[in-house]
Amino acid sequence: EAGVAQSPRYKIIEKRQSVAFWCNPISGHATLYWYQQILGQGPKLLIQFQNNGVVDDSQLPKDRFSAERLKGVDSTLKIQPAKLEDSAVYLCASTDLAGSYNEQFFGPGTRLTVL
Amino acid sequence: GEDVEQSLFLSVREGDSSVINCTYTDSSSTYLYWYKQEPGAGLQLLTYIFSNMDMKQDQRLTVLLNKKDKHLSLRIADTQTGDSAIYFCAESRYNFNKFYFGSGTKLNVKP
Repeated sequence: EAGVAQSPRYKIIEKRQSVAFWCNPISGHATLYWYQQILGQGPKLLIQFQNNGVVDDSQLPKDRFSAERLKGVDSTLKIQPAKLEDSAVYLCASTDLAGSYNEQFFGPGTRLTVL
Repeated sequence: GEDVEQSLFLSVREGDSSVINCTYTDSSSTYLYWYKQEPGAGLQLLTYIFSNMDMKQDQRLTVLLNKKDKHLSLRIADTQTGDSAIYFCAESRYNFNKFYFGSGTKLNVKP
């Protein structure tokens, strides 16, 4: 089966600019996660979707970050305006929650550099 | 991942065993996982253990879980240069809905 797809793979922007990331989860996976991974740290959950509804966005900086998952399939994560501290890898993961151990499948990530 | 802690680095020689350790704080964790991340790639699940188990073996991988001390370890037997990567410990809570990751242990395997 095809894995989780993300684009772009790399993005360089200047602070105060806007940026958007796209994720296409594995077909049939109802749950989608966006994580932020700062260099030298583990992934930190930003937002979790179940189909097209938000399950958890408690750690999403809502003044500048937004995310949507229209039709419960693809998802986009937007940052507007970007700050220097947003430089990180943004990982998308999906799971069907039907498995016995709930494996998350990760995409390759988008590496964002804010100058 | 402030609730999940790992040592930052581990260096071993090819053919030796590697042991990567992790401590967690939430006793309600249901599953505990080990993920591997190679440069420029996303995380890949290596193995997992259910919270009511003490040990799980999968080929060269052995996972040990000490629930009393909230300590998880991953042992890689006969470590190869291809095992060089960052290894993340993770736990799931609240009916699998929330995942918490450690900061990762960078394993360096010397030929």
